[in-house]
Amino acid sequence: GDSVTQMEGPVTLSEEAFLTINCTYTATGYPSLFWYVQYPGEGLQLLLKATKADDKGSNKGFEATYRKETTSFHLEKGSVQVSDSAVYFCALSADSGGSNYKLTFGKGTLLTVNP
Amino acid sequence: DAGVIQSPRHEVTEMGQEVTLRCKPISGHDYLFWYRQTMMRGLELLIYFNNNVPIDDSGMPEDRFSAKMPNASFSTLKIQPSEPRDSAVYFCASSLRLTGPWGELFFGEGSRLTVL
Repeated sequence: GDSVTQMEGPVTLSEEAFLTINCTYTATGYPSLFWYVQYPGEGLQLLLKATKADDKGSNKGFEATYRKETTSFHLEKGSVQVSDSAVYFCALSADSGGSNYKLTFGKGTLLTVNP
Repeated sequence: DAGVIQSPRHEVTEMGQEVTLRCKPISGHDYLFWYRQTMMRGLELLIYFNNNVPIDDSGMPEDRFSAKMPNASFSTLKIQPSEPRDSAVYFCASSLRLTGPWGELFFGEGSRLTVL
């Protein structure tokens, strides 16, 4: 079945450091890929997405490139801020239509950014 | 527009008591999801509805859990009787399913349940 594997956390960085959170996936067909973020005490919210190979999703300084050859969708940010402290979830959707729900989440990676 | 609204935000109860969690999805959304989040198991899909009809409840842990959606603007998740292992954060999410891939779900802030 479909699955998403994220790097184990927690990840602790100093402000302005470079961030990478690894995500790899297993899926049949051609999935769409997503990163969600969960700030403390809140629900998940969509951060960025990519729907086909070589697409780059970007938002709020975060980027991730859909790499079909390595089945990866790593999240990166060049300079993190304290306000980026959150849990980050990689997810995939393996369908392209229909009404049956198919969204698989990874286990999440906790990021803490210290001033 | 208002987002997904859940209540209560926090609930502390004793084992054996009934717990009811409530959710108001975003107006116009046709899909509603209930998730449970724990440290051990991460984010688990419990059940989802399409146009108020339950589509897949295979994630509901056992008969003690039930969910209803009597109309497009309201859903409940009930646990009866509650047990300590039900302690978790329960999220409701909604989505407007048009064409294209699943992906953009809108989550509420969650209901943190503690069963003593």
